[in-house]
Amino acid sequence: EVQLVESGGGLVQPGGSLRLSCAASGFTFSSNRMHWVRQAPGKGLVWVSFISSDAKTTSYADSVKGRFTISRDNAKNTLYLQMNSLRVEDMAVYYCARDGVGPTPIDYWGQGTLVTVSS
Amino acid sequence: EIVLTQSPGTLSLSPGERATLSCRASQSVSSSYLAWYQQKSGQAPRLLIYGASTRATGIPDRFSGSGSGTDFTLTISRLEPEDFAVYYCQQYGSSPRTFGQGTKVEI
Repeated sequence: EVQLVESGGGLVQPGGSLRLSCAASGFTFSSNRMHWVRQAPGKGLVWVSFISSDAKTTSYADSVKGRFTISRDNAKNTLYLQMNSLRVEDMAVYYCARDGVGPTPIDYWGQGTLVTVSS
Repeated sequence: EIVLTQSPGTLSLSPGERATLSCRASQSVSSSYLAWYQQKSGQAPRLLIYGASTRATGIPDRFSGSGSGTDFTLTISRLEPEDFAVYYCQQYGSSPRTFGQGTKVEI
């Protein structure tokens, strides 16, 4: 069974940093592209970042470019999101998500971890 | 960036009725790389449809997708009580991947 379990969320002050982790199991992690997607309270889904299966390619939404860094450790089956210079508008549930193999979209999601940015 | 606009914002229907949800793209979606997701309150999204019209594993056949280019539709032929949720379209043919703003299907 595919499982994606996020951790690392919490309360942080504006300007602060957090590192999110996503532990993957039930599939060959090194074969799949991965994403972070966020959802502010009561709002819709917003794609944040992407990383290729071999970690050689990454991309970011303009709103987080230069502040967030996506990475992965295929030996540990873990995806990361380093978030720096956090803003109030970054407050959201952050989902780790997996692309299917081939030209397919996100097919599995974690349950999410809440990031609260407040003074 | 491809902007996806979903309509209507809210759809008020009864169990057994047909639901028709629209997703319009600001430019053509490459190779019909358009997906639909269902999200229930407090839960993660679930993939329903990909490639505009292919049902994901385990998705009942009352869910169907159609369309190409810039106009896509999700149809739920007969609403079951568990289908009342928010539905999002997403294009995955170009970067950045973008989502529509969602359609809420309510009783």
